[in-house]
Amino acid sequence: EAQVTQNPRYLITVTGKKLTVTCSQNMNHEYMSWYRQDPGLGLRQIYYSMNVEVTDKGDVPEGYKVSRKEKRNFPLILESPSPNQTSLYFCASKFRTGNGGEKLFFGSGTQLSVL
Amino acid sequence: QKEVEQNSGPLSVPEGAIASLNCTYSDRGSQSFFWYRQYSGKSPELIMSIYSNGDKEDGRFTAQLNKASQYVSLLIRDSQPSDSATYLCAPCRGNYGQNFVFGPGTRLSVLP
Repeated sequence: EAQVTQNPRYLITVTGKKLTVTCSQNMNHEYMSWYRQDPGLGLRQIYYSMNVEVTDKGDVPEGYKVSRKEKRNFPLILESPSPNQTSLYFCASKFRTGNGGEKLFFGSGTQLSVL
Repeated sequence: QKEVEQNSGPLSVPEGAIASLNCTYSDRGSQSFFWYRQYSGKSPELIMSIYSNGDKEDGRFTAQLNKASQYVSLLIRDSQPSDSATYLCAPCRGNYGQNFVFGPGTRLSVLP
């Protein structure tokens, strides 16, 4: 089954304790990205990756790191989490449909709470 | 001005009616436009994509795009209670379509 898998689904942590949210896709997509979703602000792009070893900042990259060592995995790293990073996080990969369109395929989300 | 604006709603329509969802965007470099549906606690799922001015129909859904007015809309015909969700407008910018910019979403409620 084609899917984007995020782990964990829920995470509660404390300020300053490094954490990693994993994301893996089994569709051989080149493009992957991370978003955070906050009430009233919608989905905001954190980082994206066009291919292996190619990453770039989105609109809200501060406080986050990513890596893309292999095509299927795109982990999101919070080196020193702060309460303002409490949010719902989504990983997504993108593919081109048969008629030339594009489609973002989202993971199930990770609800992060930083105390 | 926010880059993508949508009425937050809730927009309430009776079952069987037409729901009209609107979106304006500020980046004229946006080339492709998407509507996603998101149920509470779930991830967004693609409803429609549109790339050129005019209308595009897919089943009960019609997307409309007017690049000159920087406006995109989604019409849902014969609305069903199962259509009750938040609808996210997402223009895509960047030379390689790498930046999806999502609006805050419009919450739709279809009343039985």
